[in-house]
Amino acid sequence: EVQLVESGGGLVQPGGSLRLSCAASGFTFSSYAMSWVRQAPGRGLEWVSAIGGGDDSTYYADSVKGRFTVSRDKSKNTLYLQMNSLRADDTAIYYCAKVPWYSIAAASRVAFDYWGQGILVTVSS
Amino acid sequence: QAVVTQEPSLTVSPGGTVTLTCGSSTGAVTSGHYPYWFQQKPGQAPRTLIYDTRNKHSWTPARFSGSLLGGKAALTLSGAQPEDEAEYYCLLSYNGARPVFGGGTKLTVL
Repeated sequence: EVQLVESGGGLVQPGGSLRLSCAASGFTFSSYAMSWVRQAPGRGLEWVSAIGGGDDSTYYADSVKGRFTVSRDKSKNTLYLQMNSLRADDTAIYYCAKVPWYSIAAASRVAFDYWGQGILVTVSS
Repeated sequence: QAVVTQEPSLTVSPGGTVTLTCGSSTGAVTSGHYPYWFQQKPGQAPRTLIYDTRNKHSWTPARFSGSLLGGKAALTLSGAQPEDEAEYYCLLSYNGARPVFGGGTKLTVL
């Protein structure tokens, strides 16, 4: 059974940093690209970032480019999202999602088959 | 960036049929946009229902189907059940591996 479990969320002040983690199990983590999607309170889904299975390709939404960094540790089956220079409009539930293929560059697209339960990030003073 | 549009809300009677649509500001939606559909119930994570226009996952109830209709992607629910009340999001793929979600359709079964 595929499981994705996010952690690391919480309350942070504007301008601060936070690192989210997503522990993956139930599939061969190194064989799939992964992604982050967020949802502000009462709002819709927004794609945030993605990383290819080979770590050589990373993609970001314009709203987070230059502030967020996605990475993965295949030895720990864990996906990360380092979030710096956080702003109030980054407040959201952040979901980790599995991409159904290995290479984002080759597929030239990102989509999702399995989702984590989400973790809340609140940016406020 | 492209804008993906969905009906803000729809209502269907129990046992009835409803079609949700997903349009693109760039023009007609085609199979090349690889439309996806997701279901999200209050307080829960999204769940993937349909991928690549019309393909279902093993957990997708048979009453859901995907298609292209009038230049848009469409999700049809035939024989609505109370448990189908949820928010539904579509996702379209554009060049450069940066996907765009629609704003979501709140479906009420009443």
